[in-house]
Amino acid sequence: GQQLNQSPQSMFIQEGEDVSMNCTSSSIFNTWLWYKQDPGEGPVLLIALYKAGELTSNGRLTAQFGITRKDSFLNISASIPSDVGIYFCAGQLISGANNLFFGTGTRLTVIP
Amino acid sequence: KAGVTQTPRYLIKTRGQQVTLSCSPISGHRSVSWYQQTPGQGLQFLFEYFSETQRNKGNFPGRFSGRQFSNSRSEMNVSTLELGDSALYLCASKPSGTEYNEQFFGPGTRLTVL
Repeated sequence: GQQLNQSPQSMFIQEGEDVSMNCTSSSIFNTWLWYKQDPGEGPVLLIALYKAGELTSNGRLTAQFGITRKDSFLNISASIPSDVGIYFCAGQLISGANNLFFGTGTRLTVIP
Repeated sequence: KAGVTQTPRYLIKTRGQQVTLSCSPISGHRSVSWYQQTPGQGLQFLFEYFSETQRNKGNFPGRFSGRQFSNSRSEMNVSTLELGDSALYLCASKPSGTEYNEQFFGPGTRLTVL
């Protein structure tokens, strides 16, 4: 299947700091989604992106759909303790079916 | 609206047994997809059902199967369980009538195979 390279694998940051993570692929995607997963729960959709170059915000979260359609990034500003969790990018191939391909996840730890 | 619900939340089985997991999508959603999540392989697509028909299938052996009912509820079945089938099985539903692929996940079923 498609490999989405997500980095970094993990991050330890101080409360109040900004965070940036990204996802790259060797294939072109027509949809990029960002999810957050807490332990023992399913992923929760944070942001959806559908157009190359699109920049979308959801509160303190901002995500962008790369111009090449092969990458996306997620920024979290002014982190707070409840931002702790694993963040996943997911993409849908431009000519594919509805199934999503997921990145390997970024584990975020926020130190109060 | 209620979210995606999955039952049971936890399940323990032994090798060789079979298991059936259930998923109820968000009301009005007709597309249901299943994913397997393991520490080693991450989140991997199993299959998608729409209007009681399997529309897409991932790269899993035939021991993994599913179905969808007329009320859009879906079940997945794993036969002849292997130790490697231990995983979190996630169900996701998608709104109908849109080209957008926002999928909403349930809490998952944690399957442990002993």
